Amino acid sequence: AQKITQTQPGMFVQEKEAVTLDCTYDTSDPSYGLFWYKQPSSGEMIFLIYQGSYDQQNATEGRYSLNFQKARKSANLVISASQLGDSAMYFCVTRGGYQKVTFGIGTKLQVIP
Amino acid sequence: EPEVTQTPSHQVTQMGQEVILRCVPISNHLYFYWYRQILGQKVEFLVSFYNNEISEKSEIFDDQFSVERPDGSNFTLKIRSTKLEDSAMYFCASKTGSSGANVLTFGAGSRLTVL
Repeated sequence: AQKITQTQPGMFVQEKEAVTLDCTYDTSDPSYGLFWYKQPSSGEMIFLIYQGSYDQQNATEGRYSLNFQKARKSANLVISASQLGDSAMYFCVTRGGYQKVTFGIGTKLQVIP
Repeated sequence: EPEVTQTPSHQVTQMGQEVILRCVPISNHLYFYWYRQILGQKVEFLVSFYNNEISEKSEIFDDQFSVERPDGSNFTLKIRSTKLEDSAMYFCASKTGSSGANVLTFGAGSRLTVL
């Protein structure tokens, strides 16, 4: 079984500042993947970043980086230099040994000008 | 960039009616999924589909739900007799292979409103 916990229902960040969105996970699968998706108000689900459980280095994709701490089972998303367009819902997602993917409840990020 | 296409974008239906939501996954993808998101709630897994059969389904995916890949292109979700609680955004997703690194690409969603 897999479980994702996102403890921040809402976050505010000043434009151009960095923000960290928390995610902890629990899985019994020895090999798994962690993803972050962004859902703007328009509703679509946009892939941001992926981290494999055996990856030695933290994943980075442009302004997004994933602070992966395997022993603590955390996979926090860091957004650097926030932009107004970053205002959205952010979901931490895990995929284990089976095809089912489990979503966290999400964090609503609002970027303040 | 290849994308997953879903139709309709919004459908309003009466309780008890049948609804078919359509999806065209990315052409070289082999694994297909349906998820739903009730307004303000988390995204929930419904079903995964591979090699023309269901590979896994959740407890939500009861006998009222079915999926089909009728022509090698479309991937459909049918709800036989809709209930009020079926009102949600339904997302189709696909990916290339079984590796954990394969990214799930989502469609823009189909909003279903059951009256």
